Amino acid sequence: SQKIEQNSEALNIQEGKTATLTCNYTNYSPAYLQWYRQDPGRGPVFLLLIRENEKEKRKERLKVTFDTTLKQSLFHITASQPADSATYLCALAQDSGNTPLVFGKGTRLSVIA
Amino acid sequence: DSGVTQTPKHLITATGQRVTLRCSPRSGDLSVYWYQQSLDQGLQFLIQYYNGEERAKGNILERFSAQQFPDLHSELNLSSLELGDSALYFCASSVTAGTSYNEQFFGPGTRLTVL
Repeated sequence: SQKIEQNSEALNIQEGKTATLTCNYTNYSPAYLQWYRQDPGRGPVFLLLIRENEKEKRKERLKVTFDTTLKQSLFHITASQPADSATYLCALAQDSGNTPLVFGKGTRLSVIA
Repeated sequence: DSGVTQTPKHLITATGQRVTLRCSPRSGDLSVYWYQQSLDQGLQFLIQYYNGEERAKGNILERFSAQQFPDLHSELNLSSLELGDSALYFCASSVTAGTSYNEQFFGPGTRLTVL
């Protein structure tokens, strides 16, 4: 069966450290993968997108990698801050273009000052 | 602010009832998606419309239906409501420009509570 899994429900790290979140998938061949941030009671907010032929993408303190052999994406937040505390969702799309996203259940990140 | 609006923010109703959730996409976005988010299931895709036509269907129950109107706003109708339908319902929109990898912009959601 098809599955998309984020490694842990919750992750606690110290301020200033790098947070690494994992997203694994099985029985999908995604055209691209996206990461979203969701704060309690609010809609997800897009952060980064990486295509199947890209290995790594960066945006400010964020970095995402995509390994289609391992069927895994890693999401890194460097120099983490308490304001980064939120739930982070990975989502994949099986086709290019405007197709529905399949979401993982998310990892709740808490950055402790 | 994503530019996607949803009404109402909260809805409390009883089992067996019918409700309508409304979504206005960002200006210029032709695609609208509906998602359901519950604590145990995470964010689940329900249905997508593109320029008034149904484009894709996910795990949408037969008791649920949706449509997209000529002005591109969309409505999600939920009928014969059950306790298990209590959830956050999100609408998202995205730009359509041929082959693209556009992100989706989510609205603030409607929290539905069925008592």
